[in-house]
Amino acid sequence: AQTVTQSQPEMSVQEAETVTLSCTYDTSESDYYLFWYKQPPSRQMILVIRQEAYKQQNATENRFSVNFQKAAKSFSLKISDSQLGDAAMYFCAYAGNTGTASKLTFGTGTRLQVTL
Amino acid sequence: EADIYQTPRYLVIGTGKKITLECSQTMGHDKMYWYQQDPGMELHLIHYSYGVNSTEKGDLSSESTVSRIRTEHFPLTLESARPSHTSQYLCASSEQPGVGSEAFFGQGTRLTVV
Repeated sequence: AQTVTQSQPEMSVQEAETVTLSCTYDTSESDYYLFWYKQPPSRQMILVIRQEAYKQQNATENRFSVNFQKAAKSFSLKISDSQLGDAAMYFCAYAGNTGTASKLTFGTGTRLQVTL
Repeated sequence: EADIYQTPRYLVIGTGKKITLECSQTMGHDKMYWYQQDPGMELHLIHYSYGVNSTEKGDLSSESTVSRIRTEHFPLTLESARPSHTSQYLCASSEQPGVGSEAFFGQGTRLTVV
């Protein structure tokens, strides 16, 4: 079974600074997707960024980028120029490309605080 | 704006009552999921569905049951609520996450059993 591990329960970053959230996963599959989801306080979970395992280039979405190390099974999220609105729980997730049987497996989450 | 809705948002109910948490999506997604989440904590998958008349138990054992009679509707039922069922329940839907499809989440139902 696939597992997703987030070893940082809480992180803190100052506004305008950069922070990196860690995620490792375990799988025997070769074709899969990785995701970072954001859950703001009392608001809906939303997708931040996704990465296909076959793509060597790291995904980027504005201030959010990933460092995908397939051999090491590592998928970290970098937030640049942090803003107060970035404060949230961040969940790393994995989905194997197993057709109709594919489903999301989430990590335990990292709570990010953004300070002035 | 995600087209997935959960009702009620908040529910306080007495022990032993039967409850149904509603989840509906208008995106035509085949896959739907129920997660249990204590505030600020990890998500536990309790049920999922690949499509109409398909339901599976998730990674966390749950006394709840689900049904999927229509594509857009995935209700969760507790036959006899207990204080241990107090939690937040999140519903989600997606196409094929294994090919990168985004999952859309509802706003959640905060259940308190007294």
